[in-house]
Amino acid sequence: DAGVTQSPTHLIKTRGQHVTLRCSPISGHKSVSWYQQVLGQGPQFIFQYYEKEERGRGNFPDRFSARQFPNYSSELNVNALLLGDSALYLCASSFGTGTTNEKLFFGSGTQLSVL
Amino acid sequence: AQSVTQLDSQVPVFEEAPVELRCNYSSSVSVYLFWYVQYPNQGLQLLLKYLSGSTLVKGINGFEAEFNKSQTSFHLRKPSVHISDTAEYFCAVSYNNNDMRFGAGTRLTVKP
Repeated sequence: DAGVTQSPTHLIKTRGQHVTLRCSPISGHKSVSWYQQVLGQGPQFIFQYYEKEERGRGNFPDRFSARQFPNYSSELNVNALLLGDSALYLCASSFGTGTTNEKLFFGSGTQLSVL
Repeated sequence: AQSVTQLDSQVPVFEEAPVELRCNYSSSVSVYLFWYVQYPNQGLQLLLKYLSGSTLVKGINGFEAEFNKSQTSFHLRKPSVHISDTAEYFCAVSYNNNDMRFGAGTRLTVKP
């Protein structure tokens, strides 16, 4: 079975642009979470979705938004990109409600560079 | 404020030596604790987790960790490391909500 897949793997944008990142969870997993990992730091929680509903939100500005589709795949959108948005964006899926005692399965991430 | 601190940003060790990667957390409530490993150009992979019960948790690849509530620590240990253990290791804490907090990571480098 395929693991968590993210696309694209790399992306270069300029300041002020918009970006959409995509994630397909492991088959059967209903929860998707998004994390931002800036170089040299640990992942920072952005969003968690379960059954197409937002279940958690980290401390990120409103420029960040996400959604989950009926097939449980997810998109992360970032508007008005800033240089500081340059990071590795990780998607993680889990089987159940995504409560934090569950094991998260991570994708390899999308490396976003904002110039 | 709830936080996770990994006390060492880099840990170099020789092959077959023991290693301990330190993690401390701050919380006034019950927590779940995790260690994840990240190999170059890959996502994170769960090594082990503590939810409740025995304070000594065994994980994959010969790693284990001990939950110490009084010291609010969850240090990761391996008695004999291999070259293939070279990676970034992240301690993470969740507080029974949907927000998992990661530490800044410890770069373990195993030298021959």
